[in-house]
Amino acid sequence: DADVTQTPRNRITKTGKRIMLECSQTKGHDRMYWYRQDPGLGLRLIYYSFDVKDINKGEISDGYSVSRQAQAKFSLSLESAIPNQTALYFCATSDPRTGGYNEQFFGPGTRLTVL
Amino acid sequence: KQEVTQIPAALSVPEGENLVLNCSFTDSAIYNLQWFRQDPGKGLTSLLLIQSSQREQTSGRLNASLDKSSGRSTLYIAASQPGDSATYLCAVRQGGSEKLVFGKGTKLTVNP
Repeated sequence: DADVTQTPRNRITKTGKRIMLECSQTKGHDRMYWYRQDPGLGLRLIYYSFDVKDINKGEISDGYSVSRQAQAKFSLSLESAIPNQTALYFCATSDPRTGGYNEQFFGPGTRLTVL
Repeated sequence: KQEVTQIPAALSVPEGENLVLNCSFTDSAIYNLQWFRQDPGKGLTSLLLIQSSQREQTSGRLNASLDKSSGRSTLYIAASQPGDSATYLCAVRQGGSEKLVFGKGTKLTVNP
């Protein structure tokens, strides 16, 4: 089984709808991240979390919210989806205690299309 | 503001060729640099991580080097195979920051 899983893998929705993307990990890592990838722009950080009580904004957090339900689960919500939020969304995990210099490990991605 | 550039954007080589992918960054105050491979529908796979104090890391046919003072990293792939075809991404992490700053990637095609 994959260490970092994301659901759904693909989602098509309409403008104004509320959407939640979910991420689960079995790596036992404390830190979790949400990125989005757009053609020609690379990956950009949306939110990150050090633990259940520690949530931080990334560089493009407007229009998004997150919830860290447990150490292993980190959800990304779009309260009212708009077309420019169409992108590929990645969840990632890391843990500086593992000796890997806080190496980040990514899930398979969720392709979101907002019509 | 850190900027990461990868050149070329796309590369096509015959099977068996040794090749080098380039990554440059504007701010040398980095904590580490990671190379990833991205396959369609499979997300990002971490290939190598180089800490700022290191000069290179090796894994199998892959060798990544880091020259922090000049703001450059290279990923060397030996004896390329069709299975190496993918997009390769370089990302740097600044000291004191959780954010990885990514380049836009090099799309590699290895032809049989």
